[in-house]
Amino acid sequence: EPEVTQTPSHQVTQMGQEVILRCVPISNHLYFYWYRQILGQKVEFLVSFYNNEISEKSEIFDDQFSVERPDGSNFTLKIRSTKLEDSAMYFCASSGGRDGYTFGSGTRLTVV
Amino acid sequence: SQQGEEDPQALSIQEGENATMNCSYKTSINNLQWYRQNSGRGLVHLILIRSNEREKHSGRLRVTLDTSKKSSSLLITASRAADTASYFCAPFMKTSYDKVIFGPGTSLSVIP
Repeated sequence: EPEVTQTPSHQVTQMGQEVILRCVPISNHLYFYWYRQILGQKVEFLVSFYNNEISEKSEIFDDQFSVERPDGSNFTLKIRSTKLEDSAMYFCASSGGRDGYTFGSGTRLTVV
Repeated sequence: SQQGEEDPQALSIQEGENATMNCSYKTSINNLQWYRQNSGRGLVHLILIRSNEREKHSGRLRVTLDTSKKSSSLLITASRAADTASYFCAPFMKTSYDKVIFGPGTSLSVIP
């Protein structure tokens, strides 16, 4: 069964550093998403991406965040200057538009 | 998109028993999806039911939808310890590629 692949599975970074979280969506999907889950809390929507541009973003997705689909297969989330409160699980998802999302296994980001 | 409200928030059953969890939502939908999240792991799409469907089955899962009551239920029959997870419903107002707004979910514990 097709999968959404996320790398790395765990990333530790110093506060103030830039991080890039990587995702390979399912190849024939057109809609891409990032969500995050702070430990013990709900899964929160960050951003959706379609046709090479952001289609919707949440209040969480401020100027420190950016997304990119650099080469037609990867979908990345960049956090420019990480804060302690950015520590969370980050989930990438993709959708073909009819049958629901497929989520990746997540990247656990720890900011120290 | 809108948030579904799952009920109960927590459910504990013996292995082999059936588990039923409910979802309510507020406005008309195009479809409703159920997802599962094992502790600390990614989300898995379980089943999608469209607004013109009343019941759908997938293996040991049975989902019903009552659009007049704006509610859905997920039944897991003959539960197993491996079914221990959090379960979320996601009502989609227009399309299957809207963002998902996750509620707190139902935390299911299946005791061996």
